[in-house]
Amino acid sequence: DAGVIQSPRHEVTEMGQEVTLRCKPISGHDYLFWYRQTMMRGLELLIYFNNNVPIDDSGMPEDRFSAKMPNASFSTLKIQPSEPRDSAVYFCASRAQGGAYGYTFGSGTRLTVV
Amino acid sequence: AQKITQTQPGMFVQEKEAVTLDCTYDTSDPSYGLFWYKQPSSGEMIFLIYQGSYDQQNATEGRYSLNFQKARKSANLVISASQLGDSAMYFCAMREADRGSTLGRLYFGRGTQLTVWP
Repeated sequence: DAGVIQSPRHEVTEMGQEVTLRCKPISGHDYLFWYRQTMMRGLELLIYFNNNVPIDDSGMPEDRFSAKMPNASFSTLKIQPSEPRDSAVYFCASRAQGGAYGYTFGSGTRLTVV
Repeated sequence: AQKITQTQPGMFVQEKEAVTLDCTYDTSDPSYGLFWYKQPSSGEMIFLIYQGSYDQQNATEGRYSLNFQKARKSANLVISASQLGDSAMYFCAMREADRGSTLGRLYFGRGTQLTVWP
């Protein structure tokens, strides 16, 4: 298994532009999580899905952020319009239902908004 | 209240020595799981070790062991025989039972930066 795949690895964009981060979870995993990591706030859970359904999006900072999971093998996190304070590393993770060891993280997307 | 507390922002250890990274947690759920992840400077999150709340024995994975003290709500990570490659940020995390508002989510501490020196 290739693990959780995120793209792009790095993204540099100008303020005001739309940014789309992508994630392919491990096949068969029921849960998908989007986390954001910054020095100031550490690892924050933004949103997570169970069987493609959003369960908790209370961590999404603003309406500029949106996430979708159209099928079991793909999810996107979109920021529109982007702002410099959105600069962070964004991680996607997936796990199986009841899986004790099942939280697997992608390599992350390092987003820089200038 | 913080679900996971890591009180050591940074730790230093000499190569080949053992080191303990502290973690305390807060939950009223009798069923939960505790995790440790390693994040090297390259940025990926690497799973190290897992302890279930009903596990009778402390978890071990190679040079990693988890010192689980349930009454104290403590889940310290012990790294034996430290290596230079162990230098990284270490995160403690907890998952409560899969139900209700906590369904499936993982709570993280702020991390401890471990530096191993020769």
